[in-house]
Amino acid sequence: DTEVTQTPKHLVMGMTNKKSLKCEQHMGHRAMYWYKQKAKKPPELMFVYSYEKLSINESVPSRFSPECPNSSLLNLHLHALQPEDSALYLCASSQGPFLAGANQSTFFGPGTRLTVL
Amino acid sequence: QKEVEQDPGPLSVPEGAIVSLNCTYSNSAFQYFMWYRQYSRKGPELLMYTYSSGNKEDGRFTAQVDKSSKYISLFIRDSQPSDSATYLCAMFGNTGKLIFGQGTTLQVKP
Repeated sequence: DTEVTQTPKHLVMGMTNKKSLKCEQHMGHRAMYWYKQKAKKPPELMFVYSYEKLSINESVPSRFSPECPNSSLLNLHLHALQPEDSALYLCASSQGPFLAGANQSTFFGPGTRLTVL
Repeated sequence: QKEVEQDPGPLSVPEGAIVSLNCTYSNSAFQYFMWYRQYSRKGPELLMYTYSSGNKEDGRFTAQVDKSSKYISLFIRDSQPSDSATYLCAMFGNTGKLIFGQGTTLQVKP
């Protein structure tokens, strides 16, 4: 099973709302990622978790707050977002760590389409 | 200069044609290479994974990596209208960051 699941599929929120995006994988992967994708652009890395610890934050504004409760789950908490934050939010996972020859196939979920009004 | 360069197209071919998609990169630390297919408003789907240089074949798809030239390719044989999508190359060094090309939009006409 190479599935990464994400909920919800669609989310509409106002600028004062607080909401959360959820991601789950059961492949035993120890690296999990959040990406943001705007229309006709490639995915843009936001956060990387390795062994449930935040290892990379690509200078993402604090209105986005990631959380990794356990090795299978990844959350992205949203607060006081701006309309320009409207995008497809993608979760991904890979085996990790980067040992020579270790398979780094990275699988993406279907995404959450977020609209901020 | 972007770390990964990919011609955005669009690329339009007739059904049954062989499609060649390419990316170049500048970071010699990249070792893990992937190709994704992404349909409109969907998540990227992993098509091919290659570690270091060489060729890999899976059905109608062949991935090639030439690390000496910093050039990777994806070939699609007997292309079908259902192959119409955006194709993204992506690669890891050892930093934990998966870096994407811009994506190439492919249209296969019946």
